[in-house]
Amino acid sequence: GQQLNQSPQSMFIQEGEDVSMNCTSSSIFNTWLWYKQEPGEGPVLLIALYKAGELTSNGRLTAQFGITRKDSFLNISASIPSDVGIYFCAAQNYGGSQGNLIFGKGTKLSVKP
Amino acid sequence: DSGVTQTPKHLITATGQRVTLRCSPRSGDLSVYWYQQSLDQGLQFLIQYYNGEERAKGNILERFSAQQFPDLHSELNLSSLELGDSALYFCASSPRPGPADTQYFGPGTRLTVL
Repeated sequence: GQQLNQSPQSMFIQEGEDVSMNCTSSSIFNTWLWYKQEPGEGPVLLIALYKAGELTSNGRLTAQFGITRKDSFLNISASIPSDVGIYFCAAQNYGGSQGNLIFGKGTKLSVKP
Repeated sequence: DSGVTQTPKHLITATGQRVTLRCSPRSGDLSVYWYQQSLDQGLQFLIQYYNGEERAKGNILERFSAQQFPDLHSELNLSSLELGDSALYFCASSPRPGPADTQYFGPGTRLTVL
């Protein structure tokens, strides 16, 4: 079946550092999304991307929809302690035969003050 | 707070048993989705309902079933439980079937099978 390979699995960084994580697939998708999950909560949508090559920002977060439509990247600039959580990429072929949402395994982010 | 409510928050049961998880969608949302989050498989889509009708199916086991009632709340029934069914079960809702950015996730039900 379709899979999303997300890396790294975990990151331990110092407050103020920038963070990068990525997600790749062997399949093409028309929508890429990034979520954050905190303990005891469900995933919360951070950024949604709809076009190949699209670069979208949400505050200190920036995500890109890869030009091949098979990958996406999320960058967090100047990390702060409240950035701690698990970040998931997800992809969908909205409107197509495989319209269900598929998730990566997540990147666990720890920020040291 | 996403506006999606799930009960119970935690559930502990034994192998072979049957449980029911409940989800109330956001006000006005007609579509409900169920997801399973386990340590080895990650987050996986199980099933989707729209206005009472099954809309899409994912990796849902035959031992699992769901339904959406006229008041739009949904229940996920898990039977003949196995140790491997221990996981977080999330419900999400959206106004109608559509792109994923319209889905809002509930806080989840943590199921532990002993």
